[in-house]
Amino acid sequence: EAQVTQNPRYLITVTGKKLTVTCSQNMNHEYMSWYRQDPGLGLRQIYYSMNVEVTDKGDVPEGYKVSRKEKRNFPLILESPSPNQTSLYFCASSLWAGGPYEQYFGPGTRLTVT
Amino acid sequence: GQNIDQPTEMTATEGAIVQINCTYQTSGFNGLFWYQQHAGEAPTFLSYNVLDGLEEKGRFSSFLSRSKGYSYLLLKELQMKDSASYLCAGGTTDSWGKFQFGAGTQVVVTP
Repeated sequence: EAQVTQNPRYLITVTGKKLTVTCSQNMNHEYMSWYRQDPGLGLRQIYYSMNVEVTDKGDVPEGYKVSRKEKRNFPLILESPSPNQTSLYFCASSLWAGGPYEQYFGPGTRLTVT
Repeated sequence: GQNIDQPTEMTATEGAIVQINCTYQTSGFNGLFWYQQHAGEAPTFLSYNVLDGLEEKGRFSSFLSRSKGYSYLLLKELQMKDSASYLCAGGTTDSWGKFQFGAGTQVVVTP
């Protein structure tokens, strides 16, 4: 089944404790992206990747890191999480960034930082 | 950037029609997407417009006017399962790969 998977689905952690949220897609998509979703603000793009080893900042990259060493994986790293990073996170992928290529979203990761 | 705006909430009756408007400030416009998101779930793709005009897909249609920076999603013959948030989203040729989403329009379908 074609899909985007994320792990963990739920995470409660404490301020400053490094964490990684994994994202994997099995559709051989070139493009992958991370978003956070907060009430009233909608989806905001954190980082995106056009291809392996090519990443770039979205609108809200502060406090996050990403890497794209393989086409299928695009982990999101929070080196020192803070309470303002409490949010619902979505990973997405599409065949390509431009044109009519829809994004397929993972199920989401609900992160709480205390 | 796109600066995408859409209404916060709309309520309509089962069987009726609802139109969700979306406006954006174009800067290297690169097509407009509509996604549906049910509560607690991931967004799923509904439609894509890059040329002016209406695209029809069953009960859902999407319209685009590039000169006006305006789009709408039309939901016909509303069903209870259409209660969801509808997200307008756009990319830009200024930065391929960068996308912006509107805050979403919550559609509530009542019996």
